[in-house]
Amino acid sequence: DAGVIQSPRHEVTEMGQEVTLRCKPISGHNSLFWYRQTMMRGLELLIYFNNNVPIDDSGMPEDRFSAKMPNASFSTLKIQPSEPRDSAVYFCASSGDSLLDTEAFFGQGTRLTVV
Amino acid sequence: AQSVTQLGSHVSVSEGALVLLRCNYSSSVPPYLFWYVQYPNQGLQLLLKYTTGATLVKGINGFEAEFKKSETSFHLTKPSAHMSDAAEYFCAVRHTGGFKTIFGAGTRLFVKA
Repeated sequence: DAGVIQSPRHEVTEMGQEVTLRCKPISGHNSLFWYRQTMMRGLELLIYFNNNVPIDDSGMPEDRFSAKMPNASFSTLKIQPSEPRDSAVYFCASSGDSLLDTEAFFGQGTRLTVV
Repeated sequence: AQSVTQLGSHVSVSEGALVLLRCNYSSSVPPYLFWYVQYPNQGLQLLLKYTTGATLVKGINGFEAEFKKSETSFHLTKPSAHMSDAAEYFCAVRHTGGFKTIFGAGTRLFVKA
């Protein structure tokens, strides 16, 4: 398996624009997580899905953020409208349920810069 | 509720010296415990994990960690630091039967020549 795949790796956008980040989890994993990493706040869990259903979105900072998982192999995180304070590295991770598969596997991240 | 505390946001050691990164957790049920490493501009990579069984677990790159239930700790050690170990290290907890993995704030390890 190629691991968790995120796109794009880098995104620079202007304030007010819509940004969509994409993630393909590892095949067979049934949990998917979106994290945000900044110097000030560290690694924050934004939302996670299990079997394509959002389980906990309490980490989503505000209504400008939304996430979807239309099927087991794809998820998006959307910011509309984007603001400079959204600049961060966004990670997607996936995990399974068996004892052999308890850890979260991370993608390489999307570095978002909002100017 | 689960939480993870990493003592020390920065740790500096000399090359060849012992590495000790501290992690304490809280969990109301038996936890799964993890250590991840993050190199600059990369994602997090699993170093080692504890799920059940032997409490001393060995991971990649010569690292190991010991689960001590009585102390609610999962400290990471390596007998001899190498320059390539310089990175940020994250301790994480997930409780059995749950989905969510909670991460500590991270400890940046510096290795001096």
